[in-house]
Amino acid sequence: GNSVTQMEGPVTLSEEAFLTINCTYTATGYPSLFWYVQYPGEGLQLLLKATKADDKGSNKGFEATYRKETTSFHLEKGSVQVSDSAVYFCALTRPNSGYSTLTFGKGTMLLVSP
Amino acid sequence: NAGVTQTPKFQVLKTGQSMTLQCAQDMNHNSMYWYRQDPGMGLRLIYYSASEGTTDKGEVPNGYNVSRLNKREFSLRLESAAPSQTSVYFCASRVTGHGGTYEQYFGPGTRLTVT
Repeated sequence: GNSVTQMEGPVTLSEEAFLTINCTYTATGYPSLFWYVQYPGEGLQLLLKATKADDKGSNKGFEATYRKETTSFHLEKGSVQVSDSAVYFCALTRPNSGYSTLTFGKGTMLLVSP
Repeated sequence: NAGVTQTPKFQVLKTGQSMTLQCAQDMNHNSMYWYRQDPGMGLRLIYYSASEGTTDKGEVPNGYNVSRLNKREFSLRLESAAPSQTSVYFCASRVTGHGGTYEQYFGPGTRLTVT
């Protein structure tokens, strides 16, 4: 079946450090890939997305590239801020369900200290 | 434009009680979803409604029922609450059709505790 695997957290960084959160997936067909962010006490917000191989999604300084050869969609940011502290979820659509449902990874908590 | 709204924000139930979680969206989206979020488990799909008048089971439907009341509203009902249903519940919606993208928009969540 379809699945998403993320690195376990928490990831603890100092402000201005480089961030990588790994995400790999298993899926049939050609899924679309997403990163969602959840700030404390809030719902999930779409951070970025990529819909085909080699696409790069980017938003708010975060980037992720859809790598079909390695089935990966790693999230990166060059210089994190305290305000980036949140839980990050990698997700994919299910091609065999007409793109109607999302499969999520378990989430990775990021803690950024001043 | 309020997006996706959920009520209530918090609820405490005793085992065996029933309740309905309400969700509404004002973005004219066709598809709506209910998820539960548990520590270390990510989000798991309970039920979804691809369009008005249809509903389908997700990954963890047991113990729940849903109603797609109209295009805007999608409710989740717990008929006889159990401690295992203690969780944070999120509603989401998505536009479909030609030109639509695949991302879902989430509500702020309902934190439910069953004692």
